[in-house]
Amino acid sequence: AQTVTQSQPEMSVQEAETVTLSCTYDTSENNYYLFWYKQPPSRQMILVIRQEAYKQQNATENRFSVNFQKAAKSFSLKISDSQLGDTAMYFCAFMAPQGGSEKLVFGKGMKLTVNP
Amino acid sequence: GAGVSQSPSNKVTEKGKDVELRCDPISGHTALYWYRQSLGQGLEFLIYFQGNSAPDKSGLPSDRFSAERTGGSVSTLTIQRTQQEDSAVYLCASSLLGLIQETQYFGPGTRLLVL
Repeated sequence: AQTVTQSQPEMSVQEAETVTLSCTYDTSENNYYLFWYKQPPSRQMILVIRQEAYKQQNATENRFSVNFQKAAKSFSLKISDSQLGDTAMYFCAFMAPQGGSEKLVFGKGMKLTVNP
Repeated sequence: GAGVSQSPSNKVTEKGKDVELRCDPISGHTALYWYRQSLGQGLEFLIYFQGNSAPDKSGLPSDRFSAERTGGSVSTLTIQRTQQEDSAVYLCASSLLGLIQETQYFGPGTRLLVL
């Protein structure tokens, strides 16, 4: 069974600084997808960034980028120039499409606080 | 356009009662997902619908849980004979074509409290 581990339950960072959130996963699959989701205090979950395992290039979305290390099964999220609005729970998630299913496996999340 | 909506936003029920949670996906989205988020935990996959295909029910925790999606649109998650451990936020999400090609959009969730 696939598992996703977020070892840091909580982090804080000063506004405008850079922070890295760690995520590791365990799978025997070769074709899979990785995601980072953000859940602000308002509760609505939104996608931050995604990475296809077959792509060697790390995904980037504006201030958000990932460091995808396939051999190490590591998928960390870097947030540059942190903003107060980045305060949220962040969840790492994994999906290996099998038999047409799209079952997402989530980590337990990490609470990020950006301080002014 | 309108996002994913869920109703009710909050539900308090007594142990042993049945509850129905509703999800209205974004119009035209073929894929629909249900998740459960317990306090301090990540999201737990419950069920996945894709078009007219048989749903993936592998995440449903017991036979007290069931879900249906009528006409490829609205979905209802039913919990029979609720237990206190069913207390959680139930999140619904939809995607135009599925996660391989598209992102999924989440609703605000239904917070269920079983007394």
